[in-house]
Amino acid sequence: SQELEQSPQSLIVQEGKNLTINCTSSKTLYGLYWYKQKYGEGLIFLMMLQKGGEEKSHEKITAKLDEKKQQSSLHITASQPSHAGIYLCGGPPNFGNEKLTFGTGTRLTIIP
Amino acid sequence: DAGVTQSPTHLIKTRGQQVTLRCSPKSGHDTVSWYQQALGQGPQFIFQYYEEEERQRGNFPDRFSGHQFPNYSSELNVNALLLGDSALYLCASSTGTGRTEAFFGQGTRLTVV
Repeated sequence: SQELEQSPQSLIVQEGKNLTINCTSSKTLYGLYWYKQKYGEGLIFLMMLQKGGEEKSHEKITAKLDEKKQQSSLHITASQPSHAGIYLCGGPPNFGNEKLTFGTGTRLTIIP
Repeated sequence: DAGVTQSPTHLIKTRGQQVTLRCSPKSGHDTVSWYQQALGQGPQFIFQYYEEEERQRGNFPDRFSGHQFPNYSSELNVNALLLGDSALYLCASSTGTGRTEAFFGQGTRLTVV
């Protein structure tokens, strides 16, 4: 079965600094979803990547899926307190499947 | 558009009892998936409903069952509750094609005592 590993598990970053979160799959990714979660709340959709080499940006967040489709990264530029939370990557077992396997998450803390 | 809504937001049940959680999908979505998220873990897939039938199931016992109604809303039922069932239960709605994003509700926090 597919496993997704996220690194780092937690991250403390000074406000204004850039940061990167990685998501590595044990198998080829047929799509990769990035979500953000505030503690104890629902998941907020950030981005979906499906093609090898694909890159998407929204505001100060950029996500990439590598050419081999086994690794994705999430990059935040000039971090703000509003970026704090838990970032989760999730992927389906095959194309067109919406059953997602998630990583354990990366907890991001922004300090002033 | 209200997005995905779940009810109730919090629930406390006693071991051995039964519980029903509810989910209304985002407008235009016909597929509902349920996930269980234990503290400090990523969400685990329970099952998915499409056209009122269970289309996929994760590695959860038969104590977990569900239903989808003609208006695409869904229920998750858990029988014979165990302490280990305490978790955040998340509902996700989508178009069922795997080509669009899945949106999640705010979750139901279930505590079994």
